[in-house]
Amino acid sequence: EDQVTQSPEALRLQEGESSSLNCSYTVSGLRGLFWYRQDPGKGPEFLFTLYSAGEEKEKERLKATLTKKESFLHITAPKPEDSATYLCAVYSSASKIIFGSGTRLSIRP
Amino acid sequence: DTEVTQTPKHLVMGMTNKKSLKCEQHMGHRAMYWYKQKAKKPPELMFVYSYEKLSINESVPSRFSPECPNSSLLNLHLHALQPEDSALYLCASSQGSGGAYNEQFFGPGTRLTVL
Repeated sequence: EDQVTQSPEALRLQEGESSSLNCSYTVSGLRGLFWYRQDPGKGPEFLFTLYSAGEEKEKERLKATLTKKESFLHITAPKPEDSATYLCAVYSSASKIIFGSGTRLSIRP
Repeated sequence: DTEVTQTPKHLVMGMTNKKSLKCEQHMGHRAMYWYKQKAKKPPELMFVYSYEKLSINESVPSRFSPECPNSSLLNLHLHALQPEDSALYLCASSQGSGGAYNEQFFGPGTRLTVL
């Protein structure tokens, strides 16, 4: 069964304290892995798409990486405005879109 | 224009009411999606329209009825809902419905409360 698991569920960091969020997946053929950011009461905002193992993408303080089993979202020197829920989603060869349960990130000033 | 708009932002309805949610995009995307999201949970896919045809229906109860009048518009008709249907309803669109074009752009959502 296709599955996407994100960890940790919640993460509290001090401003400037770098860390990584994890997205582990088991799917019947990966066609794409997506990272989104969601603020409370709003729709998810697209961040990155990764297609193959070894691929990396960066945007400001965020960097996403992909292996055959998992993806990491690295946050370097985060600021309070980076506080949000980060969602990982996988598009499988069975044409299924599966979201992970998200990581709630909180950055303290 | 890289925006997906949804109306209304908030909706309160009784269990006997009929209402509709609306979604619009002008990015030329050919796939549109409805999701349901409960508090502190990930979005759950409900329906997918690809080239204005319903391509995925994730076993959603018949009290939810989607409609795609044209490639820019997507509606969700609601009838005889239950209190447990209260949630944030999200619309999304993507360039296509598969492969390299499945990056989805989401609207802000409609917060639905069923009394």
